[in-house]
Amino acid sequence: KAGVTQTPRYLIKTRGQQVTLSCSPISGHRSVSWYQQTPGQGLQFLFEYFSETQRNKGNFPGRFSGRQFSNSRSEMNVSTLELGDSALYLCASSSGSGGVLDTQYFGPGTRLTVL
Amino acid sequence: QKEVEQDPGPLSVPEGAIVSLNCTYSNSAFQYFMWYRQYSRKGPELLMYTYSSGNKEDGRFTAQVDKSSKYISLFIRDSQPSDSATYLCACRGSNYQLIWGAGTKLIIKP
Repeated sequence: KAGVTQTPRYLIKTRGQQVTLSCSPISGHRSVSWYQQTPGQGLQFLFEYFSETQRNKGNFPGRFSGRQFSNSRSEMNVSTLELGDSALYLCASSSGSGGVLDTQYFGPGTRLTVL
Repeated sequence: QKEVEQDPGPLSVPEGAIVSLNCTYSNSAFQYFMWYRQYSRKGPELLMYTYSSGNKEDGRFTAQVDKSSKYISLFIRDSQPSDSATYLCACRGSNYQLIWGAGTKLIIKP
């Protein structure tokens, strides 16, 4: 079974630009969650999508948005990039059953650098 | 104050030593506690999970939860250089969302 894939793996942008990151979950998984990981803050939850609907949302500004397609693939968009947006963006998929032990499987992440 | 606190390290120990990794949390509603391991340039992978208080053992790894003191631990016996990674604790309450610690970078010296 193929794991979670994320594209691109590395990205360099300049301030003010926008960026779109892509995530393909494990086949059969309907939930996709996005996280931002930085050395100082650790893993910060951005949002979760289940069956094309945003089910949970973290404390990030509206510049961060996402969507999920009917095949469960998800995209995340960041507009008007700031230097502080430089981070590793991780995508995690799960069955989405809602059980507390619904295990999340992570992709390798997209390393975003904002200059 | 963060809901889940974890010392970022790095923690450096010699090969074969017993490693103790810890997290504290503030929300008494948390019921499930997880440890993830993250190697460099990879995403986190689930190592172990425990429910409520108590111990759980899996090979060289033991996860321990003390709900009375809101303290969770991961012990690694006979540590190996391949255990060098960042270890993240995560807590989950009834609202399903995972709350993460910052991660502790562990270095096992041969």
